[in-house]
Amino acid sequence: GEDVEQSLFLSVREGDSSVINCTYTDSSSTYLYWYKQEPGAGLQLLTYIFSNMDMKQDQRLTVLLNKKDKHLSLRIADTQTGDSAIYFCAENPNSGNTPLVFGKGTRLSVIA
Amino acid sequence: DTEVTQTPKHLVMGMTNKKSLKCEQHMGHRAMYWYKQKAKKPPELMFVYSYEKLSINESVPSRFSPECPNSSLLNLHLHALQPEDSALYLCASSQDFLGQVWGNEQFFGPGTRLTVL
Repeated sequence: GEDVEQSLFLSVREGDSSVINCTYTDSSSTYLYWYKQEPGAGLQLLTYIFSNMDMKQDQRLTVLLNKKDKHLSLRIADTQTGDSAIYFCAENPNSGNTPLVFGKGTRLSVIA
Repeated sequence: DTEVTQTPKHLVMGMTNKKSLKCEQHMGHRAMYWYKQKAKKPPELMFVYSYEKLSINESVPSRFSPECPNSSLLNLHLHALQPEDSALYLCASSQDFLGQVWGNEQFFGPGTRLTVL
């Protein structure tokens, strides 16, 4: 079945870059997503990448996709305290009947 | 309008109560979703409506009853809940279901924090 894996915690200093990694299992996934969830809030779609792309950049965010290794990463440049949140990786598999499969989420803590 | 709204923000109910959660979007999306999220866990899919028809029910107990009165509204009716049903209930919408054509960017509401006593 589909499975998305993420490390659970990441701690960085303010101003440094953060890199959150994710691996997925369904090689036919067409889209891969990053969501951010702040405490007590819903999920905010940060960015997504289509499976025929290797990289996507959006201001401070860079998404890298390695289809061969089924590895996705989210880099946040110049990390700020407001970036502290849980980041969920999600895949949109072509197989099965589930619209989105979420990872367990990575809790990013930014130290001032 | 690129927002999904949910009411109420917080709800406390007893095990014998009947209540409803409401969700609304005006983005013209044809797929709407209910998720349940426990603390420090990812959202778990409960129901999917596509074009106002129930497409997925992830073996959710019958004490949760979804309803889609029209393409902009999604309700979740609650009856005889258990304390373990306490969670954040998230509504989401996307342009289409499964995203084979346009992708499945799901836009989430802020959630309803439900506490069952």
